[in-house]
Amino acid sequence: KAGVTQTPRYLIKTRGQQVTLSCSPISGHRSVSWYQQTPGQGLQFLFEYFSETQRNKGNFPGRFSGRQFSNSRSEMNVSTLELGDSALYLCASSSGDTGNYGYTFGSGTRLTVV
Amino acid sequence: GEDVEQSLFLSVREGDSSVINCTYTDSSSTYLYWYKQEPGAGLQLLTYIFSNMDMKQDQRLTVLLNKKDKHLSLRIADTQTGDSAIYFCADNTGGFKTIFGAGTRLFVKA
Repeated sequence: KAGVTQTPRYLIKTRGQQVTLSCSPISGHRSVSWYQQTPGQGLQFLFEYFSETQRNKGNFPGRFSGRQFSNSRSEMNVSTLELGDSALYLCASSSGDTGNYGYTFGSGTRLTVV
Repeated sequence: GEDVEQSLFLSVREGDSSVINCTYTDSSSTYLYWYKQEPGAGLQLLTYIFSNMDMKQDQRLTVLLNKKDKHLSLRIADTQTGDSAIYFCADNTGGFKTIFGAGTRLFVKA
């Protein structure tokens, strides 16, 4: 079965621009979570979606937003990019049931802001 | 607030056992996990343990959980050079969120 697919793999953007990242979860998984990974801060939780509803959100500014579609695919958007947004953005899917048996991660989108 | 802490580096010789330790603060943890990340890749789930268990064994991996001390460990038996990676401890806090430690970089010397 296909894994979690994130597109694009690499992205270079200029300060002030906006960016949209995409994630297709494993077939049948209804929960999608997003994380930002940087050398200094490690993995920071952005948000979690289940059946098109955001169930939890991390401590990020409003420039970071996301959504989930009826087919469970998810997108996250970052507006007015700052240099500090340069990071690896990881998407993870799970069944979303009460018993959370762990995530399956995608390979990530590496965003560089110049 | 919720936090997960782990040491940053561990170096072992090939064939030895590796033990990676982690502490967490959340009292309502339900599941705890170990993930592995190799260069240029996402995280791979290695194993998980439910909070009412003390130990779980899965081939070369042994997870020990001391709920009283909020301490989790991962033991890798017969460590191989292919085990060199970053290992993350993670805590499902029950609020549809999993928090991760900073990761322990395991170096395996041949």
